Amino acid sequence: KAGVTQTPRYLIKTRGQQVTLSCSPISGHRSVSWYQQTPGQGLQFLFEYFSETQRNKGNFPGRFSGRQFSNSRSEMNVSTLELGDSALYLCASSLGTKVNTGELFFGEGSRLTVL
Amino acid sequence: DQQVKQNSPSLSVQEGRISILNCDYTNSMFDYFLWYKKYPAEGPTFLISISSIKDKNEDGRFTVFLNKSAKHLSLHIVPSQPGDSAVYFCAASAKSGGGADGLTFGKGTHLIIQP
Repeated sequence: KAGVTQTPRYLIKTRGQQVTLSCSPISGHRSVSWYQQTPGQGLQFLFEYFSETQRNKGNFPGRFSGRQFSNSRSEMNVSTLELGDSALYLCASSLGTKVNTGELFFGEGSRLTVL
Repeated sequence: DQQVKQNSPSLSVQEGRISILNCDYTNSMFDYFLWYKKYPAEGPTFLISISSIKDKNEDGRFTVFLNKSAKHLSLHIVPSQPGDSAVYFCAASAKSGGGADGLTFGKGTHLIIQP
């Protein structure tokens, strides 16, 4: 069974630009969550999508957005990039059923550097 | 305001001995707790979890203990092996009526197993 796939793995952008990251979940998983990992803040929840709908959202500004497609693949977008957006962006998938065990399957992440 | 705290950024343990990683939380609504393990350049992988209705859960060399009154949980690894060297994240979730909530992660503890 293929794991969670994130693309691109590494990218460099400059301040003010925008970026789109992609995530393909494990086959059959309908929930996709996004997390930001930075050395100072650890892993912080961005948002979660289930059946193409944003079901939960963390405490991030509106510059961070996402969407999910009918095949459960998800994208997240960050507009007007700031230096502080440099981080590892992790995508995680799960079955997403109501009985939430919290067990997530993470991808390897997309490392974003903002110059 | 950090709701899940791992106060030890790093921990060094001799191979074969017990490793004890600690985690404290402040949100009394948390009712499910998980530990994730992360190697460099990889996404976190689920290790073990515990529901708030239990005070202990064991899986092979890994045992998680939950003390609800103290809002404290710990992960015990016995015996510690070199492959256990990784960053360990404590995470918590509060079940809502709708389904999967974002996990709240601690900042992680870097466990180093010395030969």
